[in-house]
Amino acid sequence: DIVMTQSPLSLPVTPGEAASISCRSSQSLLHSNGNYFFDWYLQKPGQSPQLLIYLGSNRASGVPDRFSGSVSGTDFTLKISRVEAEDVGVYYCMQGLETPYSFGQGTKLEIK
Amino acid sequence: EVQLVESGGGLVQPGGSLRLSCEASGFTFSSYWMHWVRQTPGEGLVWVSRMDTDGRTTNYADSVKGRFTISRDNAKNTLYLQMNSLRAEDTAVYYCARDVAGRYSAWGQGTLVTVSS
Repeated sequence: DIVMTQSPLSLPVTPGEAASISCRSSQSLLHSNGNYFFDWYLQKPGQSPQLLIYLGSNRASGVPDRFSGSVSGTDFTLKISRVEAEDVGVYYCMQGLETPYSFGQGTKLEIK
Repeated sequence: EVQLVESGGGLVQPGGSLRLSCEASGFTFSSYWMHWVRQTPGEGLVWVSRMDTDGRTTNYADSVKGRFTISRDNAKNTLYLQMNSLRAEDTAVYYCARDVAGRYSAWGQGTLVTVSS
């Protein structure tokens, strides 16, 4: 099974500052079609998770451009250029390359 | 508007059974693979099961294999999860999710299952 390891688990951020979350997969998530089957999700308080970034670096519909995703081998990074109050919640990475699909432990972003 | 609405959760005793439903609307349900994912405070998000568009292919997490059965009725735009031999560790919020090329493009609001005597 593919293991997803996320860091940090807690991320206090001052509004307007940048933030970065990392996720490492235990094996390559590169599909034969050339895409990385890797996503980022945000679960806001009291809500279901919502898709932020798919295929490693593509923003989902309606996601602000302050969110960006990047890939380097088995290392994945989510960057928020300027954190806003509405960005609080738990961020999860996920691999959808093979079953069992697997998630990272989650990173709780809070506003300082 | 794409919507997934789960129902059927509740309190059940260990060893009991429960059937969850997920009603879809706003998209062509029969064109999508569908999944169940559960969430607990301790384990976080955990994949449970998936089914292909016409119900011929299913996959399960090892922890539920032989106890849970996923199914769908495309005429009713509904996904199901039959859960038997329930254990305390099955206590969780259960979400259904729509799969698009390995990503969850839509999630339901979740339904809480509590297994306790």
